[in-house]
Amino acid sequence: AQSVTQPDIHITVSEGASLELRCNYSYGATPYLFWYVQSPGQGLQLLLKYFSGDTLVQGIKGFEAEFKRSQSSFNLRKPSVHWSDAAEYFCAVGAREYGNKLVFGAGTILRVKS
Amino acid sequence: DTAVSQTPKYLVTQMGNDKSIKCEQNLGHDTMYWYKQDSKKFLKIMFSYNNKELIINETVPNRFSPKSPDKAHLNLHINSLELGDSAVYFCASSHETGGTYEQYFGPGTRLTVT
Repeated sequence: AQSVTQPDIHITVSEGASLELRCNYSYGATPYLFWYVQSPGQGLQLLLKYFSGDTLVQGIKGFEAEFKRSQSSFNLRKPSVHWSDAAEYFCAVGAREYGNKLVFGAGTILRVKS
Repeated sequence: DTAVSQTPKYLVTQMGNDKSIKCEQNLGHDTMYWYKQDSKKFLKIMFSYNNKELIINETVPNRFSPKSPDKAHLNLHINSLELGDSAVYFCASSHETGGTYEQYFGPGTRLTVT
């Protein structure tokens, strides 16, 4: 069965510090991967995506993620966090073989302290 | 210009009622989805339509019936509402034919059943 694990429910970082949010997946097909961000009361905004090719992908708002096939991971990183980055972050996995439906992780809530 | 829009944004209703949520996308996408986000923020696919054809129908009570009058619209009708239906429902769309697969989400409809 397809599954996505985000091991950290909450993460708190200081403004200006670096950030890494973890995502591991279990999939029976070649996946494509996404990170979405959800601010309180808002919809989901796509941060970045990986389909193929270069395993380090750049996204919006200064975020990047690295696909590591050997570790089944797609961790999200940002070198310097801003207070406006406080939100909930969701990793999602899809595959054409499964009708392109996205399977989401449980989310990681990011808190930024000043 | 809102890419994926949903109406209403909030819906409060009593058990046993029937309600509908509407979704429209102006991105020219050919595939639309309904996701349910429960109180723990867990997101799960419900349905997917490609060119008005149902292609994903997850294990959802048959009280939920999606309808796609055209490629730009996907509505969700819910009969005999139950307390457990309270959630945020997100519509999303993607361009499958183009092979890009990333899904763009609407702002969500918060359904509260009392």
